[in-house]
Formats: sequence, structure tokens, C-alpha cells
Amino acid sequence: QSVLTQAPSASATPGQRVTISCSGSSSNIGSKYVYWYQQLPGTAPKLLIYRDNQRPSGVPDRFSGSKSGTSASLAISGLRSEDEADYYCAAWDDSLSGWVFGGGTKLTVL
Amino acid sequence: EVQLLESGGGLVQPGGSLRLSCAASGFTFSSYAMSWVRQAPGKGLEWVLTITGNGGSTYYADSVKGRFTISRDNSKNTLYLQMNSLRAEDTAVYYCAKLASSDGFNPWGQGTLVTVSS
Repeated sequence: QSVLTQAPSASATPGQRVTISCSGSSSNIGSKYVYWYQQLPGTAPKLLIYRDNQRPSGVPDRFSGSKSGTSASLAISGLRSEDEADYYCAAWDDSLSGWVFGGGTKLTVL
Repeated sequence: EVQLLESGGGLVQPGGSLRLSCAASGFTFSSYAMSWVRQAPGKGLEWVLTITGNGGSTYYADSVKGRFTISRDNSKNTLYLQMNSLRAEDTAVYYCAKLASSDGFNPWGQGTLVTVSS
């Protein structure tokens, strides 16, 4: 059971917009930055969003992050087949004094 | 270009030990915290350990406390993970990652597979 909660799967068709949610608590998302990672099949994870809503250089602006209270969301617009991947949220947890990850959401592009 | 290259994975018996290495290049290694994150087969990501840039502080997940030790040699730009008393549930791909303040785990190495089995 992960400290951060994500739906195990999501799906959408090319061109659509999809949102992936991540729920936590006051000791993590509620008081710390949220990060999002993309893991393409058979590869290492890659940083997608940092500090709640910032994109590293090279990440398309189709990807956006937001946060409200103890929940965060990753939105992907103009969905493409190459976006099919596992997406993980993460945050530092003050109560655990460690990093926590969501269980991951497998995105399928239909 | 920042590069991280893990090595040292393999098959080990339950109760055994293994040491992983992560060779870093392309950045000032001693200026950054480094972490190990693992992923069991078919499962999600699990943070394991973090060490600060000067090695003065370490942070451990409860699941590995007392069994795993993280260390670094800044003169060799190398991060280490000493794993003792290994269990079947430690079977995973182990990734090293650079951890910049408030900038997340970025980048990640390609990972090295550790299999604990008799």
C-alpha cells in the first residue's frame, strides 16, 4: 500500500486530454513539492514535473502539473501514442523522513 | 551530459550480501545528494536511501534500515549501496539518481537487477 494514492490505470484516445491524480496527506503533498515521473516500457524513470508544476527543459508543454491541498494532478493534452507509459507521483514525507511514491498509473493510448 | 551508470547487480542467496556501485559523470558530484530507488518486478517505485553531497547525512527507508548502507567516494565520483542480510523481497531493479534540492530525482541511471533467490 503506497503512501500516495494513484489510480492503477487510465486510458484515452490520441488528441484527447487526460488527467492523472495523486492523493496524499498534510505531511507530504499538503506541505511539500510534488514531482511526476514518466517510465516508458523497459526504461528508467524520467523526471516530468518538479516543484508541483515546473517542466524540465525538453519536456513538452503538453504536460502540466497542479496541486490543491493534499492532492496533485498531472494533465497531458494532445495525447500521443508515445505517451503510453507508467506515471508516478512523489513527494518528501515529513512524518516518515523519507521520499514516498504513488503506486503508479499505467496510461494506455487507445 | 549527466550520466549515471550502475553496476554490481546479480543473483545472491537469501541472507547474502552484495555491493552496488553508481559511477557519475557530467556534473560536480560532491555538490549533490544522491539516492537509490528500487523497483520490484512488475511493481512500482520505492525510495530506499539518500546521502547528502558531503556524505554527512543519510536517510533510510524503514524496509532497509539496519541492513543496507549508502556511501559515496567523491574523489571517485561514485555512489555505493552495501546490501546485507538480503531477502527475497529485496529482488528489484536498483536505480541510482541525482537529487538536486527541490528539483527531484534527475536523472536516473539505467538500473541494475538484484535477484535474491536460492
